[in-house]
Amino acid sequence: DAGVIQSPRHEVTEMGQEVTLRCKPISGHNSLFWYRQTMMRGLELLIYFNNNVPIDDSGMPEDRFSAKMPNASFSTLKIQPSEPRDSAVYFCASSLASGRGDEKLFFGSGTQLSVL
Amino acid sequence: AQSVTQLGSHVSVSEGALVLLRCNYSSSVPPYLFWYVQYPNQGLQLLLKYTSAATLVKGINGFEAEFKKSETSFHLTKPSAHMSDAAEYFCAVTGGFKTIFGAGTRLFVKA
Repeated sequence: DAGVIQSPRHEVTEMGQEVTLRCKPISGHNSLFWYRQTMMRGLELLIYFNNNVPIDDSGMPEDRFSAKMPNASFSTLKIQPSEPRDSAVYFCASSLASGRGDEKLFFGSGTQLSVL
Repeated sequence: AQSVTQLGSHVSVSEGALVLLRCNYSSSVPPYLFWYVQYPNQGLQLLLKYTSAATLVKGINGFEAEFKKSETSFHLTKPSAHMSDAAEYFCAVTGGFKTIFGAGTRLFVKA
């Protein structure tokens, strides 16, 4: 398996522009997570999906952030409009959730976002 | 609510020395605990996990961790550090579907 695939690997944009980050989870996994990593705040869970349904989006910082999972093999995280403080590494992770809570997360390589 | 606290944002050891990375957890129920490693410019990878089957958990690359309920700790150790162990290490706990990560400890290995 190719693992979790994220694109783009790097994104540089100007303040006010729309940014779309993409994620392809591991085939067969039923849970998908978006995390943001910064030096100041560490790893923050933004949103997670189970069976393509958003379960908890309490970590999404503002209405400028939105996430979708139209099918089991694709998810997007959109920021509109983007701001310099959104600069971070955004990770997508997937897992095969059993309901016990001991599932291993598989992470993508991340998208390094820089908003100028 | 579950949470983890990692003691020390940076740890430096000499090659061949013992590695000890500290993690304390807070959980109202028996926790599932994890250690993940992040190499530069990569995503996180699972090192090991505790699921109550055994208190001493062995992971990849010679790492192990011991669950101590009395101390609410889950410290990560490796008897002999290698240069390739230089990375950032994250302790994590799950609560429902969520995995909550600690702030991370960056391990430096000196030649």
